[in-house]
Amino acid sequence: EVQLVESGGGVVQPGGSLRLSCAASGFTFDDYAMHWVRQAPGKGLEWVSLISGDGGSTYYADSVKGRFTISRDNSKNSLYLQMNSLRTEDTALYYCAKDRVGATTAGFDYWGQGTLVTVSS
Amino acid sequence: DIQMTQSPSSLSASVGDRVTITCQASQDISNYLNWYQQKPGKAPKLLIYDASNLETGVPSRFSGSGSGTDFTFTISSLQPEDIATYYCQQYDNLPPLFGPGTKVDIK
Repeated sequence: EVQLVESGGGVVQPGGSLRLSCAASGFTFDDYAMHWVRQAPGKGLEWVSLISGDGGSTYYADSVKGRFTISRDNSKNSLYLQMNSLRTEDTALYYCAKDRVGATTAGFDYWGQGTLVTVSS
Repeated sequence: DIQMTQSPSSLSASVGDRVTITCQASQDISNYLNWYQQKPGKAPKLLIYDASNLETGVPSRFSGSGSGTDFTFTISSLQPEDIATYYCQQYDNLPPLFGPGTKVDIK
């Protein structure tokens, strides 16, 4: 059974940093690209970032480019999101999601339950 | 970026009704479109991939069609457990943007 469990969310002041983690199990982790998708309170879904299975390629939404860094440790079946220079508009539930077919992106077939990031002074 | 629009933004229908949601892409995305269901307080769930393929385990009352720029998602007979927000999402190009969502309620 595929499981994705996020952690690391919390309350942080504007300009601060936070590192999210996602522990994956139930599939061959390094065969699949992985994503972060976020959802602001009461709003729709926003794709944030993706990383290829081998970690060699990364992509970001314009809204986070230069501030967020996605990474993975295939030896630990773990995905990360380092978030720096956080803004109030980054407040959201952050989901870790598995790519459907392993390539750069074909959508998301498994999602975690999310970890809440609140940026507030 | 390829922009996605959905209509309607919300709808209310009776149990047993046929429900249709449309999704339009700002440019040709072939069949690179997925549909997700998100129930309140839950993570999204993939229902349809490649515009018309039912994900394993998803009830057959859900279906999708379309290609190019215009797509349709249908619930053939609305059930109480289908109360949710439905999102389309393109993956022809990065970023893999979502539509704004359609909230479905029971009348």
